[in-house]
Amino acid sequence: DAGVIQSPRHEVTEMGQEVTLRCKPISGHDYLFWYRQTMMRGLELLIYFNNNVPIDDSGMPEDRFSAKMPNASFSTLKIQPSEPRDSAVYFCASSLTVAKNIQYFGAGTRLSVL
Amino acid sequence: SQKIEQNSEALNIQEGKTATLTCNYTNYSPAYLQWYRQDPGRGPVFLLLIRENEKEKRKERLKVTFDTTLKQSLFHITASQPADSATYLCALVRGSQGNLIFGKGTKLSVKP
Repeated sequence: DAGVIQSPRHEVTEMGQEVTLRCKPISGHDYLFWYRQTMMRGLELLIYFNNNVPIDDSGMPEDRFSAKMPNASFSTLKIQPSEPRDSAVYFCASSLTVAKNIQYFGAGTRLSVL
Repeated sequence: SQKIEQNSEALNIQEGKTATLTCNYTNYSPAYLQWYRQDPGRGPVFLLLIRENEKEKRKERLKVTFDTTLKQSLFHITASQPADSATYLCALVRGSQGNLIFGKGTKLSVKP
């Protein structure tokens, strides 16, 4: 398996624009997680899905953020409208079970909002 | 709420020495504790997992300990090499809730 695939790797946009980040989890993994990483706050969980259903979105910072998982092999994280403080690296991860919750991360999307 | 602290942001050691990284947590003891490695520009990579009823776990040059009384995990790299230079993150698994709570990481630099 190619691992967790995220696109794009880098995104530069202007304030107010819509941003869509994409993720393809490892085949067969039932859990998908979206994280945001900054120097100040470290790695923060935004939302996670189990079998395509959102389970916990308490980490989503505000209504400007939304995430979907239309099928087992694809998820999106959307920011609309984007703001400079959204600049961060966004990671997607997947895991087989939640018990031990060993997570496999993608390479991340570095988002810069100007 | 549960908090995790990794003792230092950066650790510099000489090649061949043992690196020891610390992870402290507050409140309840987690079911599992994990350690990940993160290289610049990449996502974290899982290294080791230790259960709350295990005292120690080893994998090649890596060793993890878990002390639920002290609420602390130690991560050791023996015979360290420059290739071990990276940021190391600890993470707690919260029972059946599916959440991983990550520390901010310790950046390890191994000098030749």
